[in-house]
Amino acid sequence: QVQLVQSGADVRMPGASVKVSCKASGYTFTSYFMHWMRQAPGQGLEWMGRIDSNGGGTHYQQKFQGRVTVTRDTSTSTVSMELTSLRSEDTAVYFCAREMPGTFYFDHWGQGALVTVSS
Amino acid sequence: EIVLTQSPGTLSLSPGERATLSCRASQSVSSSRLVWYQQKPGQAPRLLIYGASSRATGIPDRFSGSGSGTDFTLTISRLEPEDFAMYYCQQYGISAFIFGQGTNLEI
Repeated sequence: QVQLVQSGADVRMPGASVKVSCKASGYTFTSYFMHWMRQAPGQGLEWMGRIDSNGGGTHYQQKFQGRVTVTRDTSTSTVSMELTSLRSEDTAVYFCAREMPGTFYFDHWGQGALVTVSS
Repeated sequence: EIVLTQSPGTLSLSPGERATLSCRASQSVSSSRLVWYQQKPGQAPRLLIYGASSRATGIPDRFSGSGSGTDFTLTISRLEPEDFAMYYCQQYGISAFIFGQGTNLEI
C-alpha cells in the first residue's frame, strides 16, 4: 500500500533552517510529483512547492522563493524540504503529498511534521 | 490570483441530515482541477472528490461534488458521525495550488 512517512517534530530557533523528509513506498516513486503543504495552528492549508521525482525539476510558490528547497533521492525514494531563515510565522505542520502529473490533486499524504520556531 | 471562498465557515447539522458546502472562485476555473478534501483533527487531509465530481477511491457514495465556472458544491446526502470534520476545496491556478479557507462541519 502507498505510504508517505515523514520525519518527526522539530524545534528551531528564529533564523535557523529546518529539513523535513518524506519517505515513499508502495508505488513507483519516479512516476509522481511530490508536493509540500503547510498548515499553521488552527489555520488552513498552504501549498509551498513541488518536485518532479523523476527529473528533479522544482516549482515553488512565489511567497517561498529563495527560502525553500525541495530535493529528492531516488535511491531511497525520499523527498526532502528545507526551509531557511525561519521565523515564528513558519510554525506549522508540514505535509508531503503525491500527485500523478497532470491530475492536479493529491491522493496520498504524509502524516505531517510539526515544526516549531521559537527562541 | 484566484481566490477560493468557502461557505459557510461553520455548518452545524445532525447525523442523518444533508450537508451542502460551497466553494466559490474569484474567477472562472476549470472543473477538471477542482478538488475537495476532508480533514479530521490531528490528521492529514483525505482526498474526497477530484475533477469537481469524481469520487476518489474508497469514498462512500453519500459524498458528491458538482458545479462549474465559479461555483462548486460538495454535498453529503446523509451525514454519518464520522463525517463531522473540516472540508477544503482546492484548485490549480496560474502555476500554484490554492486552497479555500475551509468549512467546519460540526454536530
